[in-house]
Amino acid sequence: DTGVSQDPRHKITKRGQNVTFRCDPISEHNRLYWYRQTLGQGPEFLTYFQNEAQLEKSRLLSDRFSAERPKGSFSTLEIQRTEQGDSAMYLCASSLRLNSPLHFGNGTRLTVT
Amino acid sequence: DAKTTQPPSMDCAEGRAANLPCNHSTISGNEYVYWYRQIHSQGPQYIIHGLKNNETNEMASLIITEDRKSSTLILPHATLRDTAVYYCIVRVLVSYDKVIFGPGTSLSVIP
Repeated sequence: DTGVSQDPRHKITKRGQNVTFRCDPISEHNRLYWYRQTLGQGPEFLTYFQNEAQLEKSRLLSDRFSAERPKGSFSTLEIQRTEQGDSAMYLCASSLRLNSPLHFGNGTRLTVT
Repeated sequence: DAKTTQPPSMDCAEGRAANLPCNHSTISGNEYVYWYRQIHSQGPQYIIHGLKNNETNEMASLIITEDRKSSTLILPHATLRDTAVYYCIVRVLVSYDKVIFGPGTSLSVIP
């Protein structure tokens, strides 16, 4: 169990640029979640995959955001035309099955200047 | 929206038991209570979960009231490393599993 891995750990970008984050879940975990967290707040749910199927998507996930999990293994989260309000920690989690705890990575911190 | 309420902050003396309360008065019969904690600059870490019965593991104990409307997470001998934000979550286990976090309780363990 090597844990959930997220890359990069930090990303600084200019407003209007596109960014992509990667999440590698724990091997054999078929459920994968993305969250966003701003300072002083709890993580906010963005989206959830079971294998390659995206089953749930928050209203927070505007049309500038897209997530994929092409082969049911790693996942990517892309933000197009970044805005300063997108600055946050983006967290990924995975779980083995329905009643299994979520295991979180240490996140990607995005700063939009 | 989160279905739990927790105090925003608490202090605990090192070596003492930390008792973190959570109110989930609208919990349904098929919803579990989960606890996570988040240490600064890290992702949340799973602690414990339960449905009706009290649970204990190597990290903590979870006490759920008989009516299931509230619960308490107990860290039996708090250490400085237990300083973190603690999140209480109710989780309904259906095929679309959307785990919602509230603002949590910021626990400070004081030497």
